Amino acid sequence: DVKVTQSSRYLVKRTGEKVFLECVQDMDHENMFWYRQDPGLGLRLIYFSYDVKMKEKGDIPEGYSVSREKKERFSLILESASTNQTSMYLCASSPTPEDEKLFFGSGTQLSVL
Amino acid sequence: LAKTTQPISMDSYEGQEVNITCSHNNIATNDYITWYQQFPSQGPRFIIQGYKTKVTNEVASLFIPADRKSSTLSLPRVSLSDTAVYYCLVGDSGGYQKVTFGTGTKLQVIP
Repeated sequence: DVKVTQSSRYLVKRTGEKVFLECVQDMDHENMFWYRQDPGLGLRLIYFSYDVKMKEKGDIPEGYSVSREKKERFSLILESASTNQTSMYLCASSPTPEDEKLFFGSGTQLSVL
Repeated sequence: LAKTTQPISMDSYEGQEVNITCSHNNIATNDYITWYQQFPSQGPRFIIQGYKTKVTNEVASLFIPADRKSSTLSLPRVSLSDTAVYYCLVGDSGGYQKVTFGTGTKLQVIP
């Protein structure tokens, strides 16, 4: 089975801190994605990557950046965390650019105080 | 990018068949239709994917009419454990997939 692992299940940070959310997949998938999920808004795409060192903006990239130095790892960075970035963050991967079957991690619930 | 429209919520009694319909009027020729299920505090899980007509697996069936402007996810004889949010997605056919979710349908199964 494909495993997508997110480094933290719960995270509490202070406003202005730099925050790193890590995601690792073990199936050599090409595509990786970061979403955030908020009540009433569903899942919104922040960034995605279709190859090492490649990235594309999703629907809500403002306030975020990403890094993909290795194929299996995709990091989401909040340069200066703000309270409106309190959310559930979900990482996903898919095998190829044409494949829409996503495999999700369990999520990181981030609280910014 | 094809936008999807689903009912916000549905209720069903245990043992009934549940049909959730998704509208995607501007679906592109190469787009597939994919459904996911999400339980509270978990990431979404792939259920089923199809292009046209009917697809069935051990979990659900997916019905797609000839014009492909809508699709219906059918869950046979639901149980309490099927209470979840169900998302319909239509893929971006531009090569590299920007997979965008809508707000989904919250299904509540009642004993």
